[in-house]
Amino acid sequence: DIRMTQSPSTLSAFVGDRVIITCRASQSISRSLAWYQQKPGKAPTLLIYRASTLESGVPSRFSGGGSGTEFTLTISSLQPDDFAIYFCQEYYSYSWTFGQGTKVEIK
Amino acid sequence: QVQLVQSGAEVKKPGASVKISCKASGYDFSNYAIHWVRQAPGQRPEWMGWINPGHDNTIYSKKFQGRLTFTRDTSATTVYMDFSSLTSEDMAVYYCARVRGSDSFDMWGQGTMVTVSS
Repeated sequence: DIRMTQSPSTLSAFVGDRVIITCRASQSISRSLAWYQQKPGKAPTLLIYRASTLESGVPSRFSGGGSGTEFTLTISSLQPDDFAIYFCQEYYSYSWTFGQGTKVEIK
Repeated sequence: QVQLVQSGAEVKKPGASVKISCKASGYDFSNYAIHWVRQAPGQRPEWMGWINPGHDNTIYSKKFQGRLTFTRDTSATTVYMDFSSLTSEDMAVYYCARVRGSDSFDMWGQGTMVTVSS
């Protein structure tokens, strides 16, 4: 099974900061990766798919990159609404495995 | 608008079964597979399996095979998850999610909390 590992697990940042979250796959997954945002008590929402394609309606301050085994989610200028948990997910292996999550907190 | 609406919270005893519904609206029900994902408190989401409503075929994660059954009612545009032999380790929020192709989950239900307690 493919394992997905995110870093860091927790990130403290100010409004306006540039934030980068990394997701590593235990084997190559090409570009079969999605990023989700989850707020307390809510379902995850899709931000990015195919590693770098922005989902419709998602602000352009979110961007994704990478391929193979290493991927990034960048928030160019952190906004108050962005404080949440972010998960990566692979769909290369058809087991749709998620990373453990990165909690973005207010500094 | 496109939405998935799930049934309400459940409380079950160990060994019991739970059946959760997921009603789809706002799109062609037969054209998109529905996946089921669960999330225990403070944990990462965990994929359980999927059903293709158009062809009524299903795939289950090996972890849950034998305990899990997905069905659908096309006239009601609803899919169901039947999960048996519950234990305390099955306490989680259960989500249905629509998949785009064989890709990412672009729409999620609001979640159904399942509590397992004697």
